[in-house]
Amino acid sequence: GAVVSQHPSWVICKSGTSVKIECRSLDFQATTMFWYRQFPKQSLMLMATSNEGSKATYEQGVEKDKFLINHASLTLSTLTVTSAHPEDSSFYICSAFFGGSGSTGETQYFGPGTRLLVL
Amino acid sequence: GIQVEQSPPDLILQEGANSTLRCNFSDSVNNLQWFHQNPWGQLINLFYIPSGTKQNGRLSATTVATERYSLLYISSSQTTDSGVYFCAVERNQGGKLIFGQGTELSVKP
Repeated sequence: GAVVSQHPSWVICKSGTSVKIECRSLDFQATTMFWYRQFPKQSLMLMATSNEGSKATYEQGVEKDKFLINHASLTLSTLTVTSAHPEDSSFYICSAFFGGSGSTGETQYFGPGTRLLVL
Repeated sequence: GIQVEQSPPDLILQEGANSTLRCNFSDSVNNLQWFHQNPWGQLINLFYIPSGTKQNGRLSATTVATERYSLLYISSSQTTDSGVYFCAVERNQGGKLIFGQGTELSVKP
């Protein structure tokens, strides 16, 4: 399957600082990437849809000024958590959307996630 | 919006046992996928199965779209099967997935 990487894999920061997370599709071009957040023992919640060369589309309840998304190229999307607070501590996962066909269909390949802890 | 419900929420198996995980969804979908999230958090695609039956080794999946449910079968379970299994559906084109709450599977040696 396709490979998606995330960097960093984990980060600890002080309250009030900003943290940038990178998501890269390594072996294919992804016009669309998705950002999810997962709290412990919970499901993945979609935060935003990131399209190359255009503004991200945020899900209801997600603050676009707090979670800045940039999709500068077909292989890179970044999520910046601005002025992070302890309640932003979570597992952030990106995915790259591959519009395939046939038996694989339209599918997503997920990055390994970034664990953020805000002190 | 569409609701995705998975059952059971937790499952403990002895190595070698078989299991069936269920995913119910409240409206018609054009895509359904099963994922396995390992203990380190990595999500692995298992099946893209909007309808019909597929098999991959010890795993198989069946989706009955008209009745709005999908089943994931795990046979001869191994400890490496432990983790959380998610069902996710897509209502419209574009890749936006809605995840169920998952089934946490623990396989004991």
